[in-house]
Amino acid sequence: DAKTTQPPSMDCAEGRAANLPCNHSTISGNEYVYWYRQIHSQGPQYIIHGLKNNETNEMASLIITEDRKSSTLILPHATLRDTAVYYCIGSGGYQKVTFGTGTKLQVIP
Amino acid sequence: GAVVSQHPSWVICKSGTSVKIECRSLDFQATTMFWYRQFPKQSLMLMATSNEGSKATYEQGVEKDKFLINHASLTLSTLTVTSAHPEDSSFYICSARDLEGGETQYFGPGTRLLVL
Repeated sequence: DAKTTQPPSMDCAEGRAANLPCNHSTISGNEYVYWYRQIHSQGPQYIIHGLKNNETNEMASLIITEDRKSSTLILPHATLRDTAVYYCIGSGGYQKVTFGTGTKLQVIP
Repeated sequence: GAVVSQHPSWVICKSGTSVKIECRSLDFQATTMFWYRQFPKQSLMLMATSNEGSKATYEQGVEKDKFLINHASLTLSTLTVTSAHPEDSSFYICSARDLEGGETQYFGPGTRLLVL
């Protein structure tokens, strides 16, 4: 897995967009950028992944820089239920997924 | 789609007993499943990779004779904690990779184990 760096914590006002950054400068060409989140006392939930292009699904958008050294996960309208630890992971070639410390996002009413 | 279940969701046992945790992929087939352990306020730590029909691959420092893994079918992997001790108390989480869905891993809800 590529080494990733994320801020330990962030706050976001409810209803506003939450932008979670991730640095993955050592990511290799065949490694995807995956985002998962873990709500307290639950298993991780898959959010989104991408290789080079920006991606969007019903949960979030993923913006990957052209050099692929960093990415941003965007939750367009954060709700209190989005409070969780968000993990950015670089993985590819059917490698095992290992977790870093993630970003603890607190959505504030 | 891509639902993974675990059973039981929580278990309390006496020291010295063995505990079996099941991980099932409900709507897809998984040739590879993974087992993680998470202690309070820490991140997930990969314990082992389980491949259907073959022996599991354990991470460094994980005792294979203590944490027995069986992946007998494309939808079921089991983790048995043998001779459990209080220090084995943790949150155990499995994940599965969809055979036809590429590389994405989907996680179960976790099993909380308390050894008294």
